[in-house]
Amino acid sequence: QKEVEQNSGPLSVPEGAIASLNCTYSDRGSQSFFWYRQYSGKSPELIMSIYSNGDKEDGRFTAQLNKASQYVSLLIRDSQPSDSATYLCAAPVRDSSYKLIFGSGTRLLVRP
Amino acid sequence: DAGVIQSPRHEVTEMGQEVTLRCKPISGHNSLFWYRQTMMRGLELLIYFNNNVPIDDSGMPEDRFSAKMPNASFSTLKIQPSEPRDSAVYFCASSLVGGKNTEAFFGQGTRLTVV
Repeated sequence: QKEVEQNSGPLSVPEGAIASLNCTYSDRGSQSFFWYRQYSGKSPELIMSIYSNGDKEDGRFTAQLNKASQYVSLLIRDSQPSDSATYLCAAPVRDSSYKLIFGSGTRLLVRP
Repeated sequence: DAGVIQSPRHEVTEMGQEVTLRCKPISGHNSLFWYRQTMMRGLELLIYFNNNVPIDDSGMPEDRFSAKMPNASFSTLKIQPSEPRDSAVYFCASSLVGGKNTEAFFGQGTRLTVV
């Protein structure tokens, strides 16, 4: 089992809709989770971090964490074509160290 | 703050040549990560330093790859000899690891092409 798993997509939504991106993780000891956005040809950019169960909202973005289910999600409200990118979920995985591991990413396409 | 700085941005080299990628982390950060990204394998962690010490190099693909961090403001990733399958984008990221704060910030990456 991969340590951090995501559906590769693409996830296609119309402009103005809610995009829902999902991620599962295997290390129950993980305490923090991150969502990165990566445009084609660019480097990953941190957009959200979440540390506690429940929801965390930042503008049009909401991160949701359920530690019991080992599940973290990102909701993007009022999706815009400029949101079209690959979204990467990341978590520090502890074996001998807290190394930051990324999922394979979900490609989001927002149709005008 | 200038962010994480990587050089060169692009590197084209011939198979068998030595390649050195460079990274300057964000000032004050105590952890540094080297990642490799390809379409097939996604973003893979190669090696992780904490306080300039290599903590986990289990992702380094083989002995041709080596990484150093001689001080808190500089790290290198070296491939010798390079092979076409090493072609990828190599990212360096840094973070301040303390409590929950493991947010990592990425450099612009080095696109390596080995022909």
